[in-house]
Amino acid sequence: EAGVAQSPRYKIIEKRQSVAFWCNPISGHATLYWYQQILGQGPKLLIQFQNNGVVDDSQLPKDRFSAERLKGVDSTLKIQPAKLEDSAVYLCASSPGLAGGSTDTQYFGPGTRLTVL
Amino acid sequence: QKEVEQNSGPLSVPEGAIASLNCTYSDRGSQSFFWYRQYSGKSPELIMFIYSNGDKEDGRFTAQLNKASQYVSLLIRDSQPSDSATYLCAVTTNAGKSTFGDGTTLTVKP
Repeated sequence: EAGVAQSPRYKIIEKRQSVAFWCNPISGHATLYWYQQILGQGPKLLIQFQNNGVVDDSQLPKDRFSAERLKGVDSTLKIQPAKLEDSAVYLCASSPGLAGGSTDTQYFGPGTRLTVL
Repeated sequence: QKEVEQNSGPLSVPEGAIASLNCTYSDRGSQSFFWYRQYSGKSPELIMFIYSNGDKEDGRFTAQLNKASQYVSLLIRDSQPSDSATYLCAVTTNAGKSTFGDGTTLTVKP
């Protein structure tokens, strides 16, 4: 079974530029998560989709971040314009979801390391 | 108060000892509890999950859940140097919302 795919793996941009990340979850997984992980901290949930509906985006800085999950499969996360404090690893995860318990187990992709100069 | 809090590290134990990692959560609607391990520079990977009060054992790992005290722990028996990593506690509410703690870094010394 293929895991969660993310691209790119690394990205360096200057502040005020825009950047987009792509995620393809495990086939059949209903729930998709985007996290921001700053060095030394735990993953911070940015947005959670169930199929193509948003479950939680309360911590997404909507003035600069946007995300979509078209057709309930893959997803993109965009930052426009980027700030220095956006430097972090952006993790995508998926879970079978829908039934609670073990179906909430999250499987993570390799992450995208973003550096904003 | 953070929604999920873990004991501040780093935690250092000698090889063969028991490592004890603790986590408390604030949302009484939480229903599923997970422990993930994250090696430096890598993504988190699941160790185990628990959703009923009591203990759950899997090899050298035991998760303990006490919903009344809003407390979940992970014990690692016979700790090995390969267990050196950051351990993340994650909680999912009955509304499906997921929250991670900041992790506890464990070092197992040979």
